[in-house]
Amino acid sequence: DAKTTQPTSMDCAEGRAANLPCNHSTISGNEYVYWYRQIHSQGPQYIIHGLKNNETNEMASLIITEDRKSSTLILPHATLRDTAVYYCIVGAGNNRKLIWGLGTSLGVNP
Amino acid sequence: SQTIHQWPATLVQPVGSPLSLECTVEGTSNPNLYWYRQAAGRGLQLLFYSIGIDQISSEVPQNLSASRPQDRQFILSSKKLLLSDSGFYLCAWSFWGGYNEQFFGPGTRLTVL
Repeated sequence: DAKTTQPTSMDCAEGRAANLPCNHSTISGNEYVYWYRQIHSQGPQYIIHGLKNNETNEMASLIITEDRKSSTLILPHATLRDTAVYYCIVGAGNNRKLIWGLGTSLGVNP
Repeated sequence: SQTIHQWPATLVQPVGSPLSLECTVEGTSNPNLYWYRQAAGRGLQLLFYSIGIDQISSEVPQNLSASRPQDRQFILSSKKLLLSDSGFYLCAWSFWGGYNEQFFGPGTRLTVL
């Protein structure tokens, strides 16, 4: 399974867009990019996933570069409730196992 | 809609005591089920996953075991807890055939003293 690299921590002002980068230079052609987040002392929450095309849902947007070696999760208008650890994970659709790194700790400041 | 339950929420156990954590899923059939452990300041570590009743795969050798007596019930057990078993235990499920979009329970925080 491909590994990912994320910054340890980031800060964002409330109401601004939060852009969380992820590098996955060894991603395989059949591997998706998944994003989850974990608010302190809770179970992780699925956010979004994509293969090649950019994706958007009610929570966030996912921008994947054309060579698929990196991606960015965008929270368009961050709120204090978005303070969490954000995990970028790659995995094949038929792969039962997700390899979790340490993620990015996002702090949203008022 | 689907929901996942885990209990207990917190647990303090002495070294050498047994363990039983339970997870149940409602609102779906034939889910894939997962047990993870998260040590303090660490990422999630997959312990077990199951694609069906009595079909369980172990990812990490340890003194823990898992069972799936019913389609939507997943149990994590230990005969004798170690100090290193302390952590945050998470159960998750995904749709059958959809392995990677996982939905997590609230977790159990286990402290072994």
